[in-house]
Amino acid sequence: AQTVTQSQPEMSVQEAETVTLSCTYDTSESDYYLFWYKQPPSRQMILVIRQEAYKQQNATENRFSVNFQKAAKSFSLKISDSQLGDAAMYFCAYRSGGGADGLTFGKGTHLIIQP
Amino acid sequence: GAVVSQHPSRVICKSGTSVKIECRSLDFQATTMFWYRQFPKQSLMLMATSNEGSKATYEQGVEKDKFLINHASLTLSTLTVTSAHPEDSSFYICSALGGLAGVSYEQYFGPGTRLTVT
Repeated sequence: AQTVTQSQPEMSVQEAETVTLSCTYDTSESDYYLFWYKQPPSRQMILVIRQEAYKQQNATENRFSVNFQKAAKSFSLKISDSQLGDAAMYFCAYRSGGGADGLTFGKGTHLIIQP
Repeated sequence: GAVVSQHPSRVICKSGTSVKIECRSLDFQATTMFWYRQFPKQSLMLMATSNEGSKATYEQGVEKDKFLINHASLTLSTLTVTSAHPEDSSFYICSALGGLAGVSYEQYFGPGTRLTVT
């Protein structure tokens, strides 16, 4: 079974600064996807970024980027120029490469943005 | 596009009764939907995978007789919590699998349903 570990229950960052959220995972599969989801107080899950395991290039979406280290099974999220609207729970998630499997989530990191 | 709705958003029921939660994909067809459960200040846990026209697949430890899942159409899956007890109180989130086969599958999440059993 796959596991996803987020070791930072809470992180705090000053507005406009950069913050990195950590995630490690364990799997014996070679084909899989990794995700970062944001869950604001509304509880609606919002996809932040996705990384295909077969791609060496790190995914980037505007201010959000990942550092994907496949050998180390590490998948961190970097948020640049943090904004107040970034405050939320962030979940790292894993999905097998078949496409029709559910997600395995980490425990989440509560991100606080200090104005 | 790719909107998923859930109904109701909040429900309160008495212990021993059953409650049904609907999950609909509004602008796409979804052969597969997923049901997750989220306790306060905790992560999402996959409960079951719902496939249109076939029986749901439940994760280990999830009681299939308590959590009945029906995926009768390509746009609707329902979760019925039978004989609810206070420990079933939780936030239930569904997601629908969309996208082109062979390209990538994306999971689109509903807004969730808060169930309180008194």
